[in-house]
Amino acid sequence: GNSVTQMEGPVTLSEEAFLTINCTYTATGYPSLFWYVQYPGEGLQLLLKATKADDKGSNKGFEATYRKETTSFHLEKGSVQVSDSAVYFCALSLTGNQFYFGTGTSLTVIP
Amino acid sequence: EAQVTQNPRYLITVTGKKLTVTCSQNMNHEYMSWYRQDPGLGLRQIYYSMNVEVTDKGDVPEGYKVSRKEKRNFPLILESPSPNQTSLYFCASSLFRAQRSDTQYFGPGTRLTVL
Repeated sequence: GNSVTQMEGPVTLSEEAFLTINCTYTATGYPSLFWYVQYPGEGLQLLLKATKADDKGSNKGFEATYRKETTSFHLEKGSVQVSDSAVYFCALSLTGNQFYFGTGTSLTVIP
Repeated sequence: EAQVTQNPRYLITVTGKKLTVTCSQNMNHEYMSWYRQDPGLGLRQIYYSMNVEVTDKGDVPEGYKVSRKEKRNFPLILESPSPNQTSLYFCASSLFRAQRSDTQYFGPGTRLTVL
């Protein structure tokens, strides 16, 4: 089947620390991969995406590279800010109609 | 302002009492979808629609119905709600190009409690 596995949270970091949130996937075909972010009390927003192997998605200082050989799409940011505190979801889509989300990783950044 | 709206935002109901959660988007998107979010399970897709009168099941459709009579609206219907449908529900929409949906835009969520 199709599924996404993300690292368990919660994650707590100091401001300006380096962030990595791991995401691996299982898919029956060649998926597109996404990272969504959910701020408290809000719906999800697309953070970045990649549609083919070795593509790097990037936005707001966050990056993730589509690694087909390791079936991974890890999220990274070099220097986190308090405003990055949120829940991050990794997701995949094969057909462009059905989407599979990970369980989410809560990030808290302390000043 | 481009947005996806959901109503109500909060709802407490009792087992068996039919309810509808509305979803509307003003972006002329073809694709719309419903998800439920539960702790430790992330988001799971309930139903999706690729256009008017075209709907299909996601991963967890049992106990839910949807309809797509107009492009902008995609209501979620619980004919006989049960406590295991207590959850946070999100509606999303996107353009549908080249046989794939584009970036999804999510509504603010509806927190449903079934007693």
